[in-house]
Amino acid sequence: IAGITQAPTSQILAAGRRMTLRCTQDMRHNAMYWYRQDLGLGLRLIHYSNTAGTTGKGEVPDGYSVSRANTDDFPLTLASAVPSQTSVYFCASSPGFPGELFFGEGSRLTVL
Amino acid sequence: AQKVTQAQTEISVVEKEDVTLDCVYETRDTTYYLFWYKQPPSGELVFLIRRNSFDEQNEISGRYSWNFQKSTSSFNFTITASQVVDSAVYFCALSASTDYNNDMRFGAGTRLTVKP
Repeated sequence: IAGITQAPTSQILAAGRRMTLRCTQDMRHNAMYWYRQDLGLGLRLIHYSNTAGTTGKGEVPDGYSVSRANTDDFPLTLASAVPSQTSVYFCASSPGFPGELFFGEGSRLTVL
Repeated sequence: AQKVTQAQTEISVVEKEDVTLDCVYETRDTTYYLFWYKQPPSGELVFLIRRNSFDEQNEISGRYSWNFQKSTSSFNFTITASQVVDSAVYFCALSASTDYNNDMRFGAGTRLTVKP
């Protein structure tokens, strides 16, 4: 059982470039999330989706967009990357409130 | 607004010592859930426990125990007889029922180092 698969694992990106982080789950969970992890700040929610076809903004949504065309996939797009978006990005899913989150292994993104 | 504070940034102990990780939360909701997650050096995030706001009983799981006190808005985590494998970053998190977005808010994390 794969759980949540994120790609790429690691990426170095020039500022101003567009980047999509992919996230796929095989648990048929309704809810999916994108968090970024930064030292001293913990995990901060970027965007979420309660169910396929719906998305919403979290704590730090600026500069990011998401889509949820189906249950399994929840890609995160940086339209024009900036150095402050250098971070480790975690995708997560949950069967719904108040279920625990199941996390992917993370995507380390460096924007130069 | 919801907030989770983990005041201890880093803790270092020697193997077999007991250690308590503090977590203080803020919420206006009466129904909420508290969580602890572990992030070992390999980087993955692992769920440890969930506790709802109506259940203040302490929980013990092996060497791990959790103390939930609504009066002080705290949900502390104790590791008894710590082991090197307990070295990790531990996150406390809060999720409230009125959050339409099922938003789970995390603390900044406490890095625990257990030395042999």
